[in-house]
Amino acid sequence: DAGITQSPRHKVTETGTPVTLRCHQTENHRYMYWYRQDPGHGLRLIHYSYGVKDTDKGEVSDGYSVSRSKTEDFLLTLESATSSQTSVYFCATRPSGTYEQYFGPGTRLTVT
Amino acid sequence: GQQLNQSPQSMFIQEGEDVSMNCTSSSIFNTWLWYKQDPGEGPVLLIALYKAGELTSNGRLTAQFGITRKDSFLNISASIPSDVGIYFCAGIPQGGSEKLVFGKGTKLTVNP
Repeated sequence: DAGITQSPRHKVTETGTPVTLRCHQTENHRYMYWYRQDPGHGLRLIHYSYGVKDTDKGEVSDGYSVSRSKTEDFLLTLESATSSQTSVYFCATRPSGTYEQYFGPGTRLTVT
Repeated sequence: GQQLNQSPQSMFIQEGEDVSMNCTSSSIFNTWLWYKQDPGEGPVLLIALYKAGELTSNGRLTAQFGITRKDSFLNISASIPSDVGIYFCAGIPQGGSEKLVFGKGTKLTVNP
């Protein structure tokens, strides 16, 4: 398994506050992804990265931004959290040459 | 966009029984992946399939890449209580981007 950690694992925040979630990998995988998982919707892609400083939007990117300054770290920022962003967030990584993605343990975010 | 239909949505079985679940699409897929997710954790990759007709096993789990390339199947033999969880299929559609499309999962309950 890829060494993927996410921090924090749980967070409660208030509407309107900025929030940053961190994904850290030790596998030197080129690609990294942020998903959210909600009942009835399954896993939906927020943003992804195909290299340092190279990122692109997924299907549900509104209200989120990302940054990747190092291979091992991929940050997801909610500029101004809303209740609709209450969800479980998963990071995933993928090495070059395969489509296999490996997931982190998730961050449960509650926006009150 | 492409969608993956997983069935059944949930299954309740007795320990020792065999399990079958499938994933279908109206579009052709080039890659199929099967994941398992335990409560409170991230999805774990079980099996990856890359060629039509391919049959791959991982212990008591066997997955197949359908000949039409529009479906995939996962079988679990002699189920045990730790097989409980949600099983997701995911795939890479032909001619699309390299982003995974996910099914919504099959929830498996095993009664001892």
